[in-house]
Amino acid sequence: AQKVTQAQTEISVVEKEDVTLDCVYETRDTTYYLFWYKQPPSGELVFLIRRNSFDEQNEISGRYSWNFQKSTSSFNFTITASQVVDSAVYFCALSESFIANAGKSTFGDGTTLTVKP
Amino acid sequence: EAGVTQFPSHSVIEKGQTVTLRCDPISGHDNLYWYRRVMGKEIKFLLHFVKESKQDESGMPNNRFLAERTGGTYSTLKVQPAELEDSGVYFCASSSSRRINGELFFGEGSRLTVL
Repeated sequence: AQKVTQAQTEISVVEKEDVTLDCVYETRDTTYYLFWYKQPPSGELVFLIRRNSFDEQNEISGRYSWNFQKSTSSFNFTITASQVVDSAVYFCALSESFIANAGKSTFGDGTTLTVKP
Repeated sequence: EAGVTQFPSHSVIEKGQTVTLRCDPISGHDNLYWYRRVMGKEIKFLLHFVKESKQDESGMPNNRFLAERTGGTYSTLKVQPAELEDSGVYFCASSSSRRINGELFFGEGSRLTVL
């Protein structure tokens, strides 16, 4: 069975602060995908990143960065210099399907991030 | 290019009634998924279509839920009869098998409230 835990239910920061969203996962598979999605107030889930289990390199995209640590089964997401527009619910997800398609994913409960001006 | 669209955005029904949710995936996407988020908990997989065929329906909670994808285009998810515990947000997502990164595109969700 697979499981994704996002221990932080809600986080509140002031604009320009850095914030890290934690994600810990459990899986018995050696090959899998990890994802982060953003759900803004409009409701849709927006894909942010996909990482496969063979690639432990950290990734940076603008103010966003991801730290994948296979040894601790964690895939944490950091927003640098947060902005009000970053306020949303963020979901971490795991897919055991090692095919090109995202497939069936297991999601965490989500972390609600509020960035105050 | 239009994104994934879902209808209705919000439906309020009484226990025992029937509701049908519709999802229009991105044109050309062969994969279509239904997910559900209940009571602010995790988003749970319901089922996966590849074109018109059900690839995986292991997440469907019970036989009150019926999903179809006529002609491999849009999909419907019918709940009959609805129960209180069916309340939640139902998400539809689509993807193309031709895209290597496997990105899923989600709709805005259909919020179902069963009274």
